[in-house]
Amino acid sequence: GQQVMQIPQYQHVQEGEDFTTYCNSSTTLSNIQWYKQRPGGHPVFLIQLVKSGEVKKQKRLTFQFGEAKKNSSLHITATQTTDVGTYFCAGGSSAGGTSYGKLTFGQGTILTVHP
Amino acid sequence: DGGITQSPKYLFRKEGQNVTLSCEQNLNHDAMYWYRQDPGQGLRLIYYSQIVNDFQKGDIAEGYSVSREKKESFPLTVTSAQKNPTAFYLCASRMDRAYPYEQYFGPGTRLTVT
Repeated sequence: GQQVMQIPQYQHVQEGEDFTTYCNSSTTLSNIQWYKQRPGGHPVFLIQLVKSGEVKKQKRLTFQFGEAKKNSSLHITATQTTDVGTYFCAGGSSAGGTSYGKLTFGQGTILTVHP
Repeated sequence: DGGITQSPKYLFRKEGQNVTLSCEQNLNHDAMYWYRQDPGQGLRLIYYSQIVNDFQKGDIAEGYSVSREKKESFPLTVTSAQKNPTAFYLCASRMDRAYPYEQYFGPGTRLTVT
């Protein structure tokens, strides 16, 4: 079945440094979503990318979807302590004609920001 | 106040007992999902349902069962056949035909089986 690999598993940065997490799928995706889970909390939707080569920005966060629609990245510029948490990518596939919104999540990257 | 409710937040059970986790949503969402979260493994899909009285197995359905008798409710039963049931369980829902089709998560239930 579809697999989504995410690296790195952990990332420790000093406040103000940049951070990037990468996501790779074993199959072509119809879309990719990104979620953030604060410590002790539940995942919260950040964004969805659909088009090949798409780039979207949300303030200090930049999301990219690869040309082949098999990889994606999230880059945070100048991290802040409020960025702490686990970032998940989740790939959607419309294989078989229907997906029921089924997502395959990556393992997540745990970001720690030292003040 | 719309959202997804999961109860209880913490649940303790003895090995060999079945346990049912509650998930209720008042968002009028069509689809509902159950995930299991273990450290370092992300979220793994257990079951999902798009409409009432219909549900599909996810990637790790063995040892679990669900029902969808009402649109608002999607309870998950962890049976004694589940070999390693201790985990954090998350319920999610999604509105169909509402771009970007994001999933909304409940607060989760942390199940410990000893």
